[in-house]
Amino acid sequence: EPEVTQTPSHQVTQMGQEVILRCVPISNHLYFYWYRQILGQKVEFLVSFYNNEISEKSEIFDDQFSVERPDGSNFTLKIRSTKLEDSAMYFCASSSRGAGDTEAFFGQGTRLTVV
Amino acid sequence: QQPVQSPQAVILREGEDAVINCSSSKALYSVHWYRQKHGEAPVFLMILLKGGEQKGHDKISASFNEKKQQSSLYLTASQLSYSGTYFCGTRGGSNYKLTFGKGTLLTVNP
Repeated sequence: EPEVTQTPSHQVTQMGQEVILRCVPISNHLYFYWYRQILGQKVEFLVSFYNNEISEKSEIFDDQFSVERPDGSNFTLKIRSTKLEDSAMYFCASSSRGAGDTEAFFGQGTRLTVV
Repeated sequence: QQPVQSPQAVILREGEDAVINCSSSKALYSVHWYRQKHGEAPVFLMILLKGGEQKGHDKISASFNEKKQQSSLYLTASQLSYSGTYFCGTRGGSNYKLTFGKGTLLTVNP
């Protein structure tokens, strides 16, 4: 069964360092998303991406965040200068159409720990 | 604006029923239900697109009252495997993002 895969599963980084979280969406999907979940809290939307550009982003997704689809299969989230409060589980998701019309498939997540 | 879920937590014995509610102050285009087990990714349960729509599979079903901007998830004859946190995700008509509620922690005990 097709699935969204994320790497690494766990990343520890020092405050101020840059991190890149990687995702391989389901191959025929066109819409890609990043969400984050701080431990014990709800899943929060960060950004959606379609047709090689950001279609929507939340207030959380400020200038320190960026997304990229460097090739036909990968979708990355970059955090330029990590802060302690960036520690969270980051989920990538993809869907064949806009999220409102069809289900989004989530990856297993990357647990980011900023120390 | 995030949807409001209730209750925040519920504890059941195996075989009992539960209802989880999700409401929004804004008009909804669709409602998505997900279940997340501890340390795992959210897993899609179902999506409701139209007012009055009801869906279900196995013993989990949901309804969408568009006028009330509310959806309810019904778990019947609960099983141990139903334990987890249930999130509703809602979408208005003009954006792609899903906005999730804070979740309802469901614990099913033997």
